[in-house]
Amino acid sequence: QVQLQESGPGLVKPSGTLSLTCAVSGGSISGSGWWSWVRQPPGKGLEWIGEIYHSGTNNYNPSLGSRVTISLDTSKNQFSLNLSSVTAADTAVYYCATSEKWLGQFDWWGQGTLVTVSS
Amino acid sequence: EIVMTQSPATLSVSPGDSATLSCRASQSVSSNLAWYQQKPDQAPRLLIYGASTGATGIPARFSGSGSGTEFTLTISSLQSEDFAVYYCQQYNNWPVTFGQGTKLEIK
Repeated sequence: QVQLQESGPGLVKPSGTLSLTCAVSGGSISGSGWWSWVRQPPGKGLEWIGEIYHSGTNNYNPSLGSRVTISLDTSKNQFSLNLSSVTAADTAVYYCATSEKWLGQFDWWGQGTLVTVSS
Repeated sequence: EIVMTQSPATLSVSPGDSATLSCRASQSVSSNLAWYQQKPDQAPRLLIYGASTGATGIPARFSGSGSGTEFTLTISSLQSEDFAVYYCQQYNNWPVTFGQGTKLEIK
């Protein structure tokens, strides 16, 4: 089975950029599947952020506008999230997840990492 | 985007009993509906996809039904480890969206 592991700073200053990486094991990121980021503010529900395909095709949630960038590093078998101009509303647990197809269920999830936006 | 509404927000059930959780979509999502279980400080875990197909390793006491706009997750013979928050997710329309969750608590 595929395993995913998020990493990155746990604290980001307001107006800064949140940067996270998801390391993938048990499967090749360049082989197949869609690789997503999902977030969950403390005590709240789940919000899909965006996704990337092994070809490099991206889709982002319109609610986040142009603040989101997701990229692949096939040499390290990982993908990354950059979220710019962050505010306290971006404080959340960030999960990476994968689905076999575009518009699919999320079969595997990372354990999540809490990112707090605060000065 | 499609809005997913789950009810009730909290459900209190005794161990050994059955629980029925509901999820409604603001427009038809066909059978493109998944259910997830989330325990405190853990990631969501896929339970059901295609509205009624159990994911790998999921006990048979978890079952899903419905299509279109109305869906149900039924958990029979509740075990202590089943008390958690449950989310539905539609993946019929882009962007995929989740319900706000139902907390299943011990009565």
